[in-house]
Amino acid sequence: DAGVIQSPRHEVTEMGQEVTLRCKPISGHDYLFWYRQTMMRGLELLIYFNNNVPIDDSGMPEDRFSAKMPNASFSTLKIQPSEPRDSAVYFCASSLTVPADTQYFGPGTRLTVL
Amino acid sequence: SQQGEEDPQALSIQEGENATMNCSYKTSINNLQWYRQNSGRGLVHLILIRSNEREKHSGRLRVTLDTSKKSSSLLITASRAADTASYFCATSKSSGDKLTFGTGTRLAVRP
Repeated sequence: DAGVIQSPRHEVTEMGQEVTLRCKPISGHDYLFWYRQTMMRGLELLIYFNNNVPIDDSGMPEDRFSAKMPNASFSTLKIQPSEPRDSAVYFCASSLTVPADTQYFGPGTRLTVL
Repeated sequence: SQQGEEDPQALSIQEGENATMNCSYKTSINNLQWYRQNSGRGLVHLILIRSNEREKHSGRLRVTLDTSKKSSSLLITASRAADTASYFCATSKSSGDKLTFGTGTRLAVRP
């Protein structure tokens, strides 16, 4: 298996622009997680899905952030409009059967909002 | 607030020495996991220890769990330069609960 795949790996955009991050989880994994990592706040869980259904989005910072999982092999995290404080590394991870299982992380998307 | 807090925040050792990192948490747990993150990469799972276990080994890694003290330690023996990374503990309160990650320990192994 190729592992969790994220795209793009790097994104540089200007304030106010829409940003879409993409994730393909490991095939057969029931859970998908979106995290954000910054030096100041560490690793934060934004939202997670079970079988394509959002379970907990309490970590989503604002209405500017939205996430979808239209099928078992694809998820998006969208920021609209983006702000400089959204600059961070965004990780997608998946786990097999329960949230507390081993999580497999993608390589991350480094987002810079100018 | 963070469920897991690692100590120390940063650690620098010579190649060949052992490295010990600690994790403290606040509430009862289902399991505790350790992850490694190399610079610019995603987190990689190292080892999982369940609440009814006290010690686990995996290669050069040894993890202990003391539920009475709400703490865990990760020991890396005979460290190598390639062990240079950040190490995170993560806890869950139940199997159906999400993982909560600590703030991490930055380990530097000098050749």
